[in-house]
Amino acid sequence: DIQMTQSPSTLSASVGDRVTITCRASQSITDWLAWYQQKPGKAPKLLIYKASSLESGVPSRFSGFGYGTDFTLTISSLQPDDFATYFCQQYSSFSRTFGQGTKVEIK
Amino acid sequence: EVQLEESGGGLIKPGGSLRLSCAASGFTFSNAWMNWVRQAPGRGLEWVGHIKSKADGATTDYAAPVKGRFTISRDDSKNTLLLQMNSLKTDDTAVYYCTTGLLFGGQGTLVTVSS
Repeated sequence: DIQMTQSPSTLSASVGDRVTITCRASQSITDWLAWYQQKPGKAPKLLIYKASSLESGVPSRFSGFGYGTDFTLTISSLQPDDFATYFCQQYSSFSRTFGQGTKVEIK
Repeated sequence: EVQLEESGGGLIKPGGSLRLSCAASGFTFSNAWMNWVRQAPGRGLEWVGHIKSKADGATTDYAAPVKGRFTISRDDSKNTLLLQMNSLKTDDTAVYYCTTGLLFGGQGTLVTVSS
């Protein structure tokens, strides 16, 4: 199985900060990578697919980058609604795997 | 809009069986490959398995921890995805979500395996 390593596990930031989360695959997944946002008690919400394509309705402050094994999710200016947990997911193989998650907390 | 509603969760003893359902709407279910994904309390997300569309053979694939115990099936006439879970273990305790493509539509259903 392809392993996904996400960092950091927790990130403390303030409203207006630029934040970046990293996800690394154990082998090349080309650009078959998605990013999700999850809030407590809710299902994950798709933000980015194909590494850098913004899902419809998602604010443009979210962006994704990467190819092969190294990927990033950036929030250009953190808003109060963005405090949540973020997961990456590879879908290069049938046995999709997720990163461990990054909790974005208020500093 | 994709809508997915999971049901069937509950409290079950180790070794028991449970069947989960996922009612789908807002897309052409019969053409969709469907997945089950689970999330243990306070933990990350884990892919459980998938089923292809009938046109693609309706074949299934499973994650190693559930292979041989869980079975995914589909009823295209009712736009429903099913997950039959047998020989349940405490490690199977989680919220179970069905997904289509990359989309989670529902709130999930909680399965608690405990004596």
